[in-house]
Amino acid sequence: AQSVTQPDIHITVSEGASLELRCNYSYGATPYLFWYVQSPGQGLQLLLKYFSGDTLVQGIKGFEAEFKRSQSSFNLRKPSVHWSDAAEYFCAVGAVSSARQLTFGSGTQLTVLP
Amino acid sequence: DAGITQSPRHKVTETGTPVTLRCHQTENHRYMYWYRQDPGHGLRLIHYSYGVKDTDKGEVSDGYSVSRSKTEDFLLTLESATSSQTSVYFCAISESPLDGRTGNTIYFGEGSWLTVV
Repeated sequence: AQSVTQPDIHITVSEGASLELRCNYSYGATPYLFWYVQSPGQGLQLLLKYFSGDTLVQGIKGFEAEFKRSQSSFNLRKPSVHWSDAAEYFCAVGAVSSARQLTFGSGTQLTVLP
Repeated sequence: DAGITQSPRHKVTETGTPVTLRCHQTENHRYMYWYRQDPGHGLRLIHYSYGVKDTDKGEVSDGYSVSRSKTEDFLLTLESATSSQTSVYFCAISESPLDGRTGNTIYFGEGSWLTVV
């Protein structure tokens, strides 16, 4: 079965600083990888996804993520954080063998300082 | 945004009472899911449906049942609510299974906050 680890429970950055949120997965074959963002009291919004092809994936709101098979990682990055980026971020993995569901990490809470 | 409506959005109920949460979609997607979200656990799949009257269990299905009599509606029932079922429940939909060939993915509703006292 697949699994996802987000090592950082909480990250604090200053507005304008760069951001990297870590995600490590465990799965025997090529996974399908996703990043979702959740604002307080809201549902999950898809930021970006990786299915195949180019390992650097561009998403909405200026986010990008890079799939590194050798490190089993799919880290989320943003060059300059805005105050509105404060939210909880979830990495998720889907796999062909469990094609009807996603497995989520426990999330990383992002605080942005003015 | 995907057309997903969850009701009720907030509910407080007593231990031992039955509770039904409703998910309604306007996208005509075949697949529907119920997840629960708890601190430190992310989202965990309760049940999912791959068509009308076709459902299957997820990883945390104990104490929950589901029904899907129409494409657009997916009901989650707690037959006898317990305090451990206090959580935020998310409905999700997808057009097809996760498939790299089609690139389909899952879209989420805004959640239902359930408190069992």
